[in-house]
Amino acid sequence: LAKTTQPISMDSYEGQEVNITCSHNNIATNDYITWYQQFPSQGPRFIIQGYKTKVTNEVASLFIPADRKSSTLSLPRVSLSDTAVYYCLVGDTDKLIFGTGTRLQVFP
Amino acid sequence: KAGVTQTPRYLIKTRGQQVTLSCSPISGHRSVSWYQQTPGQGLQFLFEYFSETQRNKGNFPGRFSGRQFSNSRSEMNVSTLELGDSALYLCASSLGQELTGYEQYFGPGTRLTVT
Repeated sequence: LAKTTQPISMDSYEGQEVNITCSHNNIATNDYITWYQQFPSQGPRFIIQGYKTKVTNEVASLFIPADRKSSTLSLPRVSLSDTAVYYCLVGDTDKLIFGTGTRLQVFP
Repeated sequence: KAGVTQTPRYLIKTRGQQVTLSCSPISGHRSVSWYQQTPGQGLQFLFEYFSETQRNKGNFPGRFSGRQFSNSRSEMNVSTLELGDSALYLCASSLGQELTGYEQYFGPGTRLTVT
């Protein structure tokens, strides 16, 4: 069974780049890695998804090494509104496994 | 386009009772997944339905069941409720013909409290 671990919390200041890593030691070969953002009292919201190497969209980048046993979400120039909990999500054969979640606090 | 809706938003039940939660996916989405979120266990995958068939299932006891209708709406049922079933139950829909690779759109969740 895939086990996914993330740092419990991270602090940053506005304008800085934040990198959050997820370790997934037993990800299924053909499954994607997805990252979600969750605010209090809301469902998670999609940020970015990738299979290997690097993916970039308008809000984030996702780095995935060749062995795919980890992934790093990169948020450039965070703002106060990026304060939230971030989860990685990976597939394990017939299940979806969420990471433990990283609480990001952004300070002015 | 309307988002994923879940009803009810809040529910209080007594231990031993059963409960049914409902989820209406985004129009055109055929995959619906259910998750349980608790402070202690985090987000856990319950099951996923695609075109009325349960394709994937997490590690939950048989008291947790679900179904999907021909219009893709889904229901989740929990029988013989236990105190530990108190949680936020989230539903998500996607276009997905595969378990991963498709963006999931989450509803606001149903907050279930078991007393």
